[in-house]
Amino acid sequence: AQTVTQSQPEMSVQEAETVTLSCTYDTSESDYYLFWYKQPPSRQMILVIRQEAYKQQNATENRFSVNFQKAAKSFSLKISDSQLGDAAMYFCAYRDEGGSQGNLIFGKGTKLSVKP
Amino acid sequence: DTGVSQDPRHKITKRGQNVTFRCDPISEHNRLYWYRQTLGQGPEFLTYFQNEAQLEKSRLLSDRFSAERPKGSFSTLEIQRTEQGDSAMYLCASRAGSSYNEQFFGPGTRLTVL
Repeated sequence: AQTVTQSQPEMSVQEAETVTLSCTYDTSESDYYLFWYKQPPSRQMILVIRQEAYKQQNATENRFSVNFQKAAKSFSLKISDSQLGDAAMYFCAYRDEGGSQGNLIFGKGTKLSVKP
Repeated sequence: DTGVSQDPRHKITKRGQNVTFRCDPISEHNRLYWYRQTLGQGPEFLTYFQNEAQLEKSRLLSDRFSAERPKGSFSTLEIQRTEQGDSAMYLCASRAGSSYNEQFFGPGTRLTVL
């Protein structure tokens, strides 16, 4: 069974600085997607960034980028120029495409605090 | 607003009572998912619908839980004879059919069982 592990329950960053959130996963599949979702307090979960496993190039969305290491099964999220609005729970998620129904498997999350 | 909506947002009930939650997905999305999120954990998959067909159920979905999606539009999740361990946030998500498409989440229904 696939698993997702986030080893940092909490992280803190100074406003305008850079922070990296870690995620590792385990799968025997070769075709899958990886995601980072953001869940602000009392608000709904939104997608931050996605990575398709067959693409070697790391995904980037404005201040958010990933470091995808397929052989190491590692998928970290880098947030540059951190803003107060980045404070939230961040979940790493996996979805395989080989005959499954596409449900997401989540890690336990990392709570990110941003200090002014 | 054409996002995923859920009703109610909060539900407090006594142990042993039945509760029903509703999810309205984004209208053109044929795939609908239910997840459960407990404090300090990531969401865990419960069940999946493609149109009106329930195609997958997690082993977390005990026989006290039932879900429906009549006509392939909104979905309901019912919990019978609630237990304190059922207290959690219940999240609904929907997605269009393409593999690339992301899941869009609703705001969730927070259930408290006293």
